[in-house]
This record gives sequence, C-alpha cells and structure tokens, in this order.
Amino acid sequence: GENVEQHPSTLSVQEGDSAVIKCTYSDSASNYFPWYKQELGKGPQLIIDIRSNVGEKKDQRIAVTLNKTAKHFSLHITETQPEDSAVYFCVSGGGADGLTFGKGTHLIIQP
Amino acid sequence: NAGVTQTPKFQVLKTGQSMTLQCAQDMNHNSMYWYRQDPGMGLRLIYYSASEGTTDKGEVPNGYNVSRLNKREFSLRLESAAPSQTSVYFCASSAYPGQGHTEAFFGQGTRLTVV
Repeated sequence: GENVEQHPSTLSVQEGDSAVIKCTYSDSASNYFPWYKQELGKGPQLIIDIRSNVGEKKDQRIAVTLNKTAKHFSLHITETQPEDSAVYFCVSGGGADGLTFGKGTHLIIQP
Repeated sequence: NAGVTQTPKFQVLKTGQSMTLQCAQDMNHNSMYWYRQDPGMGLRLIYYSASEGTTDKGEVPNGYNVSRLNKREFSLRLESAAPSQTSVYFCASSAYPGQGHTEAFFGQGTRLTVV
C-alpha cells in the first residue's frame, strides 16, 4: 500500500517567520495531495490541496509544491501567526481506499 | 450545516465489552471512512465504503466490523474490546468517486478508552 513520510515531527518557529513541512509518497498512481490542519480536540480540516497535473498552488499565506518525478510535496506557511499553531498532516490519495496520512507535524509558533 | 456527526464523543469500555460507534453525514457523499488516531501515528484507515452496500478493509481492520446502513450512515463495531483499541476514532466522508478525490470532511471524533 501507499506509504507517506512526513518531516519534521515538531517544528518551532518565531511568529512572522516561515514554516516548511516536507513529505514523500511511494505510490506513483497517487494523484491528489491535500493538507489537513488539526486543532486540539477537533477533527482534521482541509487547508489546501493540489492535484498531480499542477506543480504549485497558493492561497494567501499558504502554498504547496509537488514534484511528481521525485514523489515529494511540501507545505509552506509564510508570516506565521499564533493561530497557525496546530498539527498538520500531508495526505496522499489515489484509488478508492481513502487517503493515506503522514504521521503529522506539530507546528509551534513562538511569540 | 451538520456535516459529519459522530456519537458518542467519549466512551470507556471494559475489556471484552462490545459497542458501536455511529456516524452520519448530510452531504450526500458516496464514500465514508473510519480512521483511528494514535499518538505519533497519524490517522490510519480501518474500513471504508465507496458506496451504499459495499465495504472494504483498510490498513488496520482487525477487531472491527462495519455496516453501511444507507448512504448517510456508516457504523463501526467493536465486538470484544481490547486495551489496544484505546484510541480516538474519526469518521469521514467525501464525494469520491464522483470527480475523483476531493475534500474529505471529518467528524469531531470519539475518544475511546478500554480498561
């Protein structure tokens, strides 16, 4: 089955700085790569997604990049704010068997 | 908008007891999923259902059964609970296969403790 590796497991940045989370996947048939944010006590929520026919996508302070050849994708958050503190998951989606999650990155924004 | 509703929110079971986790979605989605979340492990797929009347095993199905009662509801049953099933359980739904994979919507989770 699909395997998604996510790094780092914990990331601490100063408020206003940028944060980058990186993931790799194994299944070359995967074609959908969403990122989810999970706040304490809540279910994951989609923040941005990218499909395999696109190399980069941006939504305000959040951007994702995808390198299908290398099977890498990354999340970039600029001008981080306290409300960005949460756990972030990269996800790979291919066939009918749902979405495969990375193990998560705990992002801490230091004031 | 209710989205995905899970019940109960919290549950404590004794080893060997059984229980059913309920999930319902009001978005007319085809696919529904059950995940478990353990510290440092991300979310792992237990079972999924791509349409009413069909169910398939995910990564960690042992010890669980599911029922896709109708398009709205997808339940997860623990027949004989074990301490290893202590976890947070999430139900999700998506429009897949529709136009391919799209956003999956998650419930608030059920925190289950087996003692």
